[in-house]
Amino acid sequence: AQKITQTQPGMFVQEKEAVTLDCTYDTSDPSYGLFWYKQPSSGEMIFLIYQGSYDQQNATEGRYSLNFQKARKSANLVISASQLGDSAMYFCAMREIKGSGYALNFGKGTSLLVTP
Amino acid sequence: DAGITQSPRYKITETGRQVTLMCHQTWSHSYMFWYRQDLGHGLRLIYYSAAADITDKGEVPDGYVVSRSKTENFPLTLESATRSQTSVYFCASSEWGTSQNQPQHFGDGTRLSIL
Repeated sequence: AQKITQTQPGMFVQEKEAVTLDCTYDTSDPSYGLFWYKQPSSGEMIFLIYQGSYDQQNATEGRYSLNFQKARKSANLVISASQLGDSAMYFCAMREIKGSGYALNFGKGTSLLVTP
Repeated sequence: DAGITQSPRYKITETGRQVTLMCHQTWSHSYMFWYRQDLGHGLRLIYYSAAADITDKGEVPDGYVVSRSKTENFPLTLESATRSQTSVYFCASSEWGTSQNQPQHFGDGTRLSIL
């Protein structure tokens, strides 16, 4: 069975600084995918970035990057140059195959507060 | 481009009542999902559907019923609501799994309170 662990319930970072949100996972499937979503206070779920287990390079999307360490089973999200608008809940999720598609197994999330 | 729409956004009801949460998507995505979000649990999968008339249970299906007569709609029904079903419910969709790096797209959620 899969398991996603986010050990940081809450984090603080100063504006313009970089911050790393931790995510560790456990799976016996050699092929897997990891997603990060952002949930601002307004409640919607916003997709940020994806990392596949066979991807050769760490994923990057603008100010977001993934520090993917396969041997350690970790997929930490790095946000560079934090902005006040980055204050939100952040969820790490793992793809679980369902037939020809997939569902997502989510971690419990990390609340990030960016301070001026 | 409406995307994926959930209704209602907020609902208050009483224990024992039946309530239906609606989900509509305009992308013709094959897969649709219902998740619930509770403090300390993240999001958990209730039911999913691979196509019209094909549904299957997720992690926490008890007390819920789904149907999918049309590709674009995926309603979730609580047949006899209980207080433990107070939660925020999210509907999501994704394309047929030819490319498994495609993200799921979420609706804005329905906040359901059961008194």
